[in-house]
Amino acid sequence: AQSVTQLGSHVSVSEGALVLLRCNYSSSVPPYLFWYVQYPNQGLQLLLKYTSAATLVKGINGFEAEFKKSETSFHLTKPSAHMSDAAEYFCSRGAAGNKLTFGGGTRVLVKP
Amino acid sequence: NAGVTQTPKFQVLKTGQSMTLQCAQDMNHEYMSWYRQDPGMGLRLIHYSVGAGITDQGEVPNGYNVSRSTTEDFPLRLLSAAPSQTSVYFCASRDRFFNSPLHFGNGTRLTVT
Repeated sequence: AQSVTQLGSHVSVSEGALVLLRCNYSSSVPPYLFWYVQYPNQGLQLLLKYTSAATLVKGINGFEAEFKKSETSFHLTKPSAHMSDAAEYFCSRGAAGNKLTFGGGTRVLVKP
Repeated sequence: NAGVTQTPKFQVLKTGQSMTLQCAQDMNHEYMSWYRQDPGMGLRLIHYSVGAGITDQGEVPNGYNVSRSTTEDFPLRLLSAAPSQTSVYFCASRDRFFNSPLHFGNGTRLTVT
């Protein structure tokens, strides 16, 4: 079965520090990969997506993610955390089909 | 420019009651889906539809029904509510391409007592 694993359900970072959220996927075929962000009491919003055009993908709000096929990973990073980055982040994958699979989510806390 | 609209925002049901969660989108998206969100489990797919008149089961379909009579609307019915269905429910849509992102509604928080 297809799966997505996010390491760490909670991450705490200081304002200005690097944000690193880890995502690994299981796949036997090239996947479509997405990162979404969820702010309190809202739905999910797209941060960025990988669709095989480039391995380093830039998204909104200064986030980027790198696709590494050999490691089946799609980790999300931001060089300098801002208080407004406090949210929950979800990695998801799809393939040629209609069932998008989500990881368990990582909640980011930003300390001043 | 409404996007995906879900109603109601909050609902409390007693065990055994039935209800319908409404979802409408104004982007002419062919694909619509329902997810439930539970702590630590991410989002799990309940049902989805690839067009009017076509629906299929997702990962956790038991206890839920859907129909798709129009492109715009995709209601989710709880037939006989159970406490295990206490969750936050999200409707999401996209166009027909697999690599297109989902557009989400703001969710319905359901409590079953």
